[in-house]
Formats: sequence, C-alpha cells, structure tokens
Amino acid sequence: ENVLTQSPGTLSLSPGERATLSCRASQSVSSSYLAWYQQKAGQAPRLLIYGASSRATGIPDRFSGSGSGTDFTLTISRLEPEDFAVYYCQQYGGSPPITFGQGTRLETK
Amino acid sequence: QVQLQESGPGLVKPSETLSLTCTVSGGSISSYHWSWIRQPPGKGLEWIGYIYYRGTTNYNPSLKSRVTISIDTPKNQFSLKLNSVTAADTAMYYCARFAAYGAGYFDLWGRGTLVTVSS
Repeated sequence: ENVLTQSPGTLSLSPGERATLSCRASQSVSSSYLAWYQQKAGQAPRLLIYGASSRATGIPDRFSGSGSGTDFTLTISRLEPEDFAVYYCQQYGGSPPITFGQGTRLETK
Repeated sequence: QVQLQESGPGLVKPSETLSLTCTVSGGSISSYHWSWIRQPPGKGLEWIGYIYYRGTTNYNPSLKSRVTISIDTPKNQFSLKLNSVTAADTAMYYCARFAAYGAGYFDLWGRGTLVTVSS
C-alpha cells in the first residue's frame, strides 16, 4: 500500500499569510495521479489540484501544487478567510489503487 | 450540471448489510468510473471501491470480502452493499465520480449520507 503522510497535522496561520502543506508518499507516485482536496466542516471534499499541479475548474490561482516522485506540496499564496479547512492529498496507482493522506487542518492563528 | 445524491438507511444494526444508492442527475452515468468513499466521524477519508459503467469493479483490499458495488445504467444509479457491519463502519458515506484514465481524481462528490451502525 502506498501510504501518504501529510505534514503538519495542524497549521496555524493568519489571513494574508502563505501556507505550505506537504504530502509524502511511501512509494513513488506518478505526477499525473496526485490530487489535493479541500474539505470544510459539514461538507464533502472539493477537488483543488490534479496531476500534482493543475488547478481544477473554478479554483483560485492562489492555490498551487508542485512536486514529483514521493514529495508533493500544496501552497496557498495568500490565505483568505474561506481557506481555513482540512486538506487531503490522494494518489492513484498501485494496490490498493487509491489512498488518501490523513489530512492537514489549516486553522486561524 | 451533473449532481450526485446518496440515499439509504441512516441506521443499520450490527451484523446486517448496509445498502446505499447514488443517483446521478444532469448527465449520463456512462463513460466514467463511479466510486464510494467513507469518512468516520472526525477522521480521514477511506476509498471503498469503484465501478466502471460497463460493470468492472475494483475494491479496497481491506473491505473487499464484504463489499459489492453495482450499477444500473438505465436508472443512472450505482449502489453499495457492505455486509456484516460493525460499529467501525459508522461513517459518512460519499459517492463520487472518478476520472481514471490519465487522471486519477474525484471531480464530483455527493453531499454524503451518515450511516450509524447500532442496535
């Protein structure tokens, strides 16, 4: 199983600051198959980034993804109040083919 | 636009079978993979399995012995059955569209339905 480990578990920042979230895989992931999701309380997850660096439809350009192999990063350039949520990375490939990271909670400082 | 809606009992007794249906509206169920994902209260996401519109399936090995996902293309629905449930199966269950080929992500999600396993 390709285990995805996200860090930090919780990130405390203020609006306007830059957020950097990490996702490390136990086995190499094809960049085509690494995605990021945002989940707000009481809501379903929302696709933010796919293919490691492509923004999904309607996602603001303050969200960006990067990385390859086993190390991937989600960056939010300037935090808006609505960005405080839980973020998950997800990979496709291997067995089982789909796994999620445990999540990073982005909270207001 | 395409929307997904989960339906089914919110309470299931231990050892019984959890059954949920996802209805796809605003578009055809054909040409995509369709998936179930669950999230225990206060915890992370767990992929359960997916089905291609032609009927081929792939399940999480940790649940494979208890899971069946089926599809009804004329009704634009797909379903989940999880048997021999325990309290550990209490979770929010989401259906989602999975873009598999050259993609590997979930681009559309239902709102989710909470299933509690309790006597």
